[in-house]
Amino acid sequence: ETGVTQTPRHLVMGMTNKKSLKCEQHLGHNAMYWYKQSAKKPLELMFVYNFKEQTENNSVPSRFSPECPNSSHLFLHLHTLQPEDSALYLCASSQDGFTRYTEAFFGQGTRLTVV
Amino acid sequence: DQQVKQNSPSLSVQEGRISILNCDYTNSMFDYFLWYKKYPAEGPTFLISISSIKDKNEDGRFTVFLNKSAKHLSLHIVPSQPGGSAVYFCAASSSYYGGSQGNLIFGKGTKLSVKP
Repeated sequence: ETGVTQTPRHLVMGMTNKKSLKCEQHLGHNAMYWYKQSAKKPLELMFVYNFKEQTENNSVPSRFSPECPNSSHLFLHLHTLQPEDSALYLCASSQDGFTRYTEAFFGQGTRLTVV
Repeated sequence: DQQVKQNSPSLSVQEGRISILNCDYTNSMFDYFLWYKKYPAEGPTFLISISSIKDKNEDGRFTVFLNKSAKHLSLHIVPSQPGGSAVYFCAASSSYYGGSQGNLIFGKGTKLSVKP
């Protein structure tokens, strides 16, 4: 039990499909994050939610649409993706965005392949 | 331009010896630094951290050193164990930007191989 659970673990989708990634955390945290890890690149922060409010959108294309219905759940809705969007998508949570010196806890990731 | 750099993509050490992983950063507003370990097909796992008010933090086999003037930190693992073969990521955050204390900027990682 990692505390942060992501589903599905693997996803293959066509460029015209619509799919959603789900993340759930059981740690009582109030901040949740989406990161993207592409080959040969560092983890890139995509979106940040603090207390269900989006506080950061790191210039992510609109074909990625996050949703945070409550502090425990985070979704990433995907539509009309491109093959270059194939990557490992990681969800993370932390206590909140205002507490100093806080670490983030990661889920196991969703390996996305766009064909 | 990368704000957190891990210039060694890979490192190989003998079991039982010391592993030293290095990380440099460019943003002087960073005040919290973390090391994560990642196995294939898993998410990163938090290892150890250090705030900018310290220059050393130790936790079991892991010690992190911070040199603020050089904007450099290092992770020492003693002794290295075969189960420690993984990718190690350095990350940094800043408390100066309101509400963003948890936003982590990562390096590209260093793949550590521990040989028996």
